[in-house]
Amino acid sequence: SQKIEQNSEALNIQEGKTATLTCNYTNYSPAYLQWYRQDPGRGPVFLLLIRENEKEKRKERLKVTFDTTLKQSLFHITASQPADSATYLCALPNTGGFKTIFGAGTRLFVKA
Amino acid sequence: GAVVSQHPSRVICKSGTSVKIECRSLDFQATTMFWYRQFPKQSLMLMATSNEGSKATYEQGVEKDKFLINHASLTLSTLTVTSAHPEDSSFYICSARALAAGSDTQYFGPGTRLTVL
Repeated sequence: SQKIEQNSEALNIQEGKTATLTCNYTNYSPAYLQWYRQDPGRGPVFLLLIRENEKEKRKERLKVTFDTTLKQSLFHITASQPADSATYLCALPNTGGFKTIFGAGTRLFVKA
Repeated sequence: GAVVSQHPSRVICKSGTSVKIECRSLDFQATTMFWYRQFPKQSLMLMATSNEGSKATYEQGVEKDKFLINHASLTLSTLTVTSAHPEDSSFYICSARALAAGSDTQYFGPGTRLTVL
């Protein structure tokens, strides 16, 4: 079955540094991959979508890569700020493309 | 961006009562709405997919008679937790997929924290 793995350990970094989060998936080839941000007690907020024919996508301080050979996506936040502290979820469409499967998320803490 | 609202944001109820949660897409029409539940420090688990005007499709292990879903219009879906028990306490989140062709993004509501005493 389709499986998404995100580092369950929290990532602690210093303000100004680049945060890099990893999403690995197995057992299928999704047409696209999404990243969401979730703050405690809130619903996820969509950040970026990257399609299988795109190697990299950027939005302000965010950068996402999508390696379909490695079955991996990397999510980067450059010049990180304490306000970036949140849980970041990787999400993929299921085989039929109608449902979205979410990873468990990685908690990011940015220290001032 | 697209806005999805949920009401109530928090509800506490006694065991055995029923609770209704509303999910509305405020500035777009949603062909499909999804209902998730999330336990602390865990991922979102899809409960059911709701299409306007038709019966909801439930995920394996989710009781359709316990979690009643009604998708009355292109902007409103409701989830009713019937005869709630303490184990139903969780964070319930809805999302809506826009009607526009080629739109793959789900927009999430802020969630509803249900506590069953």
